[in-house]
Amino acid sequence: GIQVEQSPPDLILQEGANSTLRCNFSDSVNNLQWFHQNPWGQLINLFYIPSGTKQNGRLSATTVATERYSLLYISSSQTTDSGVYFCAVGGYGGATNKLIFGTGTLLAVQP
Amino acid sequence: GAVVSQHPSWVICKSGTSVKIECRSLDFQATTMFWYRQFPKQSLMLMATSNEGSKATYEQGVEKDKFLINHASLTLSTLTVTSAHPEDSSFYICSARDMKASGPGKWGGTQYFGPGTRLTVL
Repeated sequence: GIQVEQSPPDLILQEGANSTLRCNFSDSVNNLQWFHQNPWGQLINLFYIPSGTKQNGRLSATTVATERYSLLYISSSQTTDSGVYFCAVGGYGGATNKLIFGTGTLLAVQP
Repeated sequence: GAVVSQHPSWVICKSGTSVKIECRSLDFQATTMFWYRQFPKQSLMLMATSNEGSKATYEQGVEKDKFLINHASLTLSTLTVTSAHPEDSSFYICSARDMKASGPGKWGGTQYFGPGTRLTVL
């Protein structure tokens, strides 16, 4: 099956710093989403981005589908950005509905 | 918009009992819902795809007789953990696929996730 690897696995930042999270996937996909899982376990949709670039406030994401990776940029980080960030991919091998989650990046933003 | 609820949010039960978890899409219709489980400090693992009006499709290694799924309407799917044992203790999360793209912030085909149910089997 498809492999979805995220890096780095852990990241510690000082408040105000910028960061880049990476998601590599092993097969062609037509669905890619980024999520933030808060400390209570709720998954929050950040981006639906199977290709191209999108921005939402301090967050932006870029997916280069032909090279099978996606990047999530966090600028001017805040303590509320702490949590786990997942990318998830779908639409590979004809399975258009399923999302397969990556390994996650645990982000801790210190004041 | 695009809200998915789960009930209960947490449950503690004795070994051998069955537990039912509900997943509802509150403001959209979902012909397809998904069930995931997540162990501490791990990623989400897809268990099964729940299709309205038909049988669920289970991922390899997931026991369909252990984890019963019913998708009786376009807004409700249930997961029943039968004869639960301590190794079934986990965080169970459902999602629903919003097939309509309308309004700001809604993306066609995007999955929206419920808040999760934490199951502890004693």
